[in-house]
Parts: sequence; structure tokens; C-alpha cells
Amino acid sequence: DSGVTQTPKHLITATGQRVTLRCSPRSGDLSVYWYQQSLDQGLQFLIQYYNGEERAKGNILERFSAQQFPDLHSELNLSSLELGDSALYFCASSDGGNPTYNEQFFGPGTRLTVL
Amino acid sequence: LAKTTQPISMDSYEGQEVNITCSHNNIATNDYITWYQQFPSQGPRFIIQGYKTKVTNEVASLFIPADRKSSTLSLPRVSLSDTAVYYCLVGPQYGGNQGGKLIFGQGTELSVKP
Repeated sequence: DSGVTQTPKHLITATGQRVTLRCSPRSGDLSVYWYQQSLDQGLQFLIQYYNGEERAKGNILERFSAQQFPDLHSELNLSSLELGDSALYFCASSDGGNPTYNEQFFGPGTRLTVL
Repeated sequence: LAKTTQPISMDSYEGQEVNITCSHNNIATNDYITWYQQFPSQGPRFIIQGYKTKVTNEVASLFIPADRKSSTLSLPRVSLSDTAVYYCLVGPQYGGNQGGKLIFGQGTELSVKP
């Protein structure tokens, strides 16, 4: 158990809909990262937040947005969903205080299926 | 960010030592080499990280030659539970308030047989 929690575990929805994925980082971790893993694209970095502020952006679509709240949990919002958005979405966290040796702690993921 | 090349798959038997080599010809001076393990439908898990020479922890060793253009992850006496995908990542260390994205390649799918 990495200490990172994600809800829900599974999500099935229809095209055009909007969903919200939630992540709670490890206690004390200030950085939260979101990744998307699909069969054809592998693991793709989406976005990073540090202590409530956006720090790095990857291949995140404009239909997707994220935020980190004062209690450090984070939400990833996916809208106007398409079939191709079906994937595993992982949240990871790391200690923001010191150099982290690139060690991120990943949650169990949310499996999104768009029908 | 340096590009990495790994074998797509490897097979081994229980009790054997497994060595997975990663090529990173364009590694930068401030880049570190990090390995992650991923089981099906689970998030990746940090295994080991190094900069040069050899690093060892309780689960693996990492060998890095002097030119740092490649690295080898060594798993001693593998078991069936080591069947997973192993990713080699190359990039700078960072503090959490910097852009600490991890770039995952295709990874090496290791299959351990009884």
C-alpha cells in the first residue's frame, strides 16, 4: 500500500459526459501528479500540482482540468468524454520538501470506461 | 530528457538472476537513472535509483558504467511474483516544487516461469 488513495476504482460512462476523479496523497506529500495509461499510449504524464499550484503540464487535453485543494487532495476533471479517453488514470505523490530522488508513490488507479 | 531503449520482453525461470539493460546514449550530466516496476492494473512502484557505479538495495542492484550511456537492473533469484513490467527512466532529480514529471518508455515485460 503506497498510502495514495484514489476514488472511484472503476467508472463507466457515456461519450459526451463529464467525470471527476479524486486523489488523496500520502500524508505530508505536497506534490500530486496525474498520469494516464492506455494500451496504445503507455503511461503519459498529464499534470503536476505542488501545494495547490500547478507546476508542470504534460500531454493534457484542453477537455481535462485538475486542481489541488488546501487539504492537498486533488481532482482530475474530464469532460466531453470520447471513446479514446478510456484508460487507467493514476495519481502519484511525492515529498515536496526535499529532493525526492524521482521517487513517486502511485495510487491504485481509476479505470475509466467510456461507452 | 534522454531517450531510453529497453528490450520489449524477457523470459526467466524462478531462482535465476535477471539483468535488464537500458540504453540512454544522450544522458545529461545532471540526469539520474531510475527504475520502476509495474504489475497489471497497479500503479508503478519505485525500485532503485543511481547516478554512477553501483547501487544496491534490498530488492535489486543497479550497475552504471563510467560513460553512463547504459545501465543494468539486476534482480537476484527471481520468483513468480517478479513477473511485471520494468521501466527505465532518465532525468534530473528535482525538488517537489519543480516540474517533476516522469517520462515512461515502453518498459520491459519480464515473465518468470516455474
